[in-house]
Formats: sequence, structure tokens, C-alpha cells
Amino acid sequence: GQNIDQPTEMTATEGAIVQINCTYQTSGFNGLFWYQQHAGEAPTFLSYNVLDGLEEKGRFSSFLSRSKGYSYLLLKELQMKDSASYLCAVMDSNYQLIWGAGTKLIIKP
Amino acid sequence: GAVVSQHPSRVICKSGTSVKIECRSLDFQATTMFWYRQFPKKSLMLMATSNEGSKATYEQGVEKDKFLINHASLTLSTLTVTSAHPEDSSFYICSASGFGTSVDYNEQFFGPGTRLTVL
Repeated sequence: GQNIDQPTEMTATEGAIVQINCTYQTSGFNGLFWYQQHAGEAPTFLSYNVLDGLEEKGRFSSFLSRSKGYSYLLLKELQMKDSASYLCAVMDSNYQLIWGAGTKLIIKP
Repeated sequence: GAVVSQHPSRVICKSGTSVKIECRSLDFQATTMFWYRQFPKKSLMLMATSNEGSKATYEQGVEKDKFLINHASLTLSTLTVTSAHPEDSSFYICSASGFGTSVDYNEQFFGPGTRLTVL
């Protein structure tokens, strides 16, 4: 079956760096997405990786290793507003998104 | 970036009535639209995928006669919850992918969501 694994919850300190990991097993691969979701709101797109390597976008970076079925989202200079759930999703061979359950990130002052 | 809107953002209805939710792509052509349902503290659950001009493809366990999906144009898809019951209360989210200026087909753009409460 298809499976996306990511930690349920993580805690970090304001100003610090945090890495959220995601491992996946899917039927086919057409890219991996990271989304940020604040409570009660729809997810907002953060990044898309389809080739191996690191994609940097401001304070956020996303890494992909297709051979390992692994990705991580790196958040730098954490701010209180970064407290949210972070969803990892893989697009399978049918171009449908397989979602992880999300990682709740708690930022402490 | 591309924008997807949903209307209404929030709706409260009586049990047994039908509710229609609209999903619009505002600045790109949405060849494919997706309807999701989110349960509290869980990830999004894909309900169905619709391609413009075709019948929607429903995920296993989703009643197509209860959740009617129409995707008649490249900018509009509708989800109608028929004979709504309290257990249908949820957060419904649409997303769209397609083509347009600065739009990558592989990227999904999410609507803001519609919170349905059935009394």
C-alpha cells in the first residue's frame, strides 16, 4: 500500500532551526509537496521537489532523496507564526496527492 | 501565484437539505479539480477528482449519489452535499491544477475551504 510517515509533533524555540522529516512509499512518484496548515484553514503550498537535492526558498528549504524515499523540510529563524501543522504529500503515478497526517510544530518563546 | 476561491466559506443547514459548494480558479484554467474533506486533527481525505467535462472519479467509500460533483467549465467545479446529515459536518476543501501564466501543472492550488455544519 501507499504510505507517508512524518512525526506527529515537534517542539522548537523561536529563532532556532527545525527539520521535519517525511518518508514515503507510493506507487510511482511525480513529486513531493510540503504544505503549511494553520488550524481551521486550508493548507498553503510551501514547496515542491521532483528531483533529488535541496530547494531553498527564504527561511524554508526542502530536500528530496528519491532513492531513499525521504524528504525533509527545514525551517530557519523560527517565528511564532510558524506554529502550524506541516503536511508532506507525494503525487503518485496517477497525479493524485497521497498525504501524510501532518506534523504539528509548536514554537516556544 | 494562482488563486482558488470557494463559496461559501461557512454554511449551516438543517438535516435533510442540500448544500452546494463552489470552487473557482480565478486566474488559471483548472483542468483538474479535487475535493477533499478534513476531519479534526487528521490529514485531508481525497473525496473525488474531476476533470473538466468528464464525470468525477470518486474514492472508495465516498457515495457519489450523496456528494454530487460537477466540473462543467475550466474555472468552476461544484460539490453538492445532498440530504445532508450531522455526520456530514466537516471542512471541505477543493484544489485545482491546470495551466496558465506561471502555473505548473504538477502544482495543486488549494481553496480556502468551506466549513459545513449540519444541524
